[in-house]
Amino acid sequence: EPEVTQTPSHQVTQMGQEVILRCVPISNHLYFYWYRQILGQKVEFLVSFYNNEISEKSEIFDDQFSVERPDGSNFTLKIRSTKLEDSAMYFCASSEAWWRGPNTGELFFGEGSRLTVL
Amino acid sequence: AQSVTQLDSQVPVFEEAPVELRCNYSSSVSVYLFWYVQYPNQGLQLLLKYLSGSTLVKGINGFEAEFNKSQTSFHLRKPSVHISDTAEYFCAVSGFDNFNKFYFGSGTKLNVKP
Repeated sequence: EPEVTQTPSHQVTQMGQEVILRCVPISNHLYFYWYRQILGQKVEFLVSFYNNEISEKSEIFDDQFSVERPDGSNFTLKIRSTKLEDSAMYFCASSEAWWRGPNTGELFFGEGSRLTVL
Repeated sequence: AQSVTQLDSQVPVFEEAPVELRCNYSSSVSVYLFWYVQYPNQGLQLLLKYLSGSTLVKGINGFEAEFNKSQTSFHLRKPSVHISDTAEYFCAVSGFDNFNKFYFGSGTKLNVKP
């Protein structure tokens, strides 16, 4: 069964350091997403990505964040200068293109990357 | 925009008992509704979804949910739970105006006791 894979599963970093979280979406999917979940809080939308550009981003997704699809398989989230409040579980997700119709409407999520900023 | 409320942060229940996890949403447009489950140290897995048609939807592992538009609810039910159902359950909504953006509830931890 195809799945979304994320690395690393857990990363500990010092405040101010750059972090790159990696994701391999399902191969025939065209929409990619990052969500995050701060401990004890809701899963929050960060950004969606389609056709090599950001489709939408939330207020959380400020200039410290960036996404990239460096090759045909990986989708990365970079945090340039981490802050304590960036500590969270980051989920990557992918879905089929919307223009195929809402016949699935499903986001497929990875297992998450836990980021701990000290 | 949409929002989701899951009023119960934790639900303890004995094995083989029925369970209902509550979800209410708000939206100014029509919505799609989803329930995801997260087992310990795993990602989010789709349990079931409502896109259109019958308001009673059945999902995996014996779960079902009913979409009630007038009450803006999408409660999740299972007639008899197992120990293996112990997990966190998330209700999510996306709107017809942007169905690629999901809004999640804060989750309900289901703890099934023997």
